[in-house]
Amino acid sequence: GENVEQHPSTLSVQEGDSAVIKCTYSDSASNYFPWYKQELGKRPQLIIDIRSNVGEKKDQRIAVTLNKTAKHFSLHITETQPEDSAVYFCAASKQSGGSYIPTFGRGTSLIVHP
Amino acid sequence: NAGVTQTPKFQVLKTGQSMTLQCAQDMNHNSMYWYRQDPGMGLRLIYYSASEGTTDKGEVPNGYNVSRLNKREFSLRLESAAPSQTSVYFCARADTNEKLFFGSGTQLSVL
Repeated sequence: GENVEQHPSTLSVQEGDSAVIKCTYSDSASNYFPWYKQELGKRPQLIIDIRSNVGEKKDQRIAVTLNKTAKHFSLHITETQPEDSAVYFCAASKQSGGSYIPTFGRGTSLIVHP
Repeated sequence: NAGVTQTPKFQVLKTGQSMTLQCAQDMNHNSMYWYRQDPGMGLRLIYYSASEGTTDKGEVPNGYNVSRLNKREFSLRLESAAPSQTSVYFCARADTNEKLFFGSGTQLSVL
């Protein structure tokens, strides 16, 4: 099955710095890569996603890059703010039996210090 | 993030007890999922359902059963709860673009 590795497990930055979280996947059949943000005690929420036919996608301060050949993808957050503090999960998703099945990384706890 | 309702929000069980976690969507999407979340382990798939009446095992199905009797509802049953099943459980649905929308979660403790 799919295996998703996510690094680092914890990331501490100063407000205004950039943050980068990296993920690798193993199954070349995966073709959809979402990122979820989970605030303490809340549900995970989708913040950005990318498909395998695209190399980069941006949405204001966040961007995601994908290298299909190397099987890795990254989340970039610029000008971090305290409200960016949360756990971030990457996922690699492939189709199976009529559904897309996401396999999640173990998460990165991002702490933004004011 | 309206659209996925989970009950109960909290539950404490004794080892060997059974219970069913309920999940319902207010849309008409086909795919629904049950995940468990443990510290440092991310979200692990227990079961998923591609459509009404069909279910498939995920990464960690042992000790669980599911039921998808109609398009709206996807329930998760623990027949004989064990302490290893202490976790936070999330139900989710996927929209037509594969984006997952999660319920608010059930915090389960098995003593």
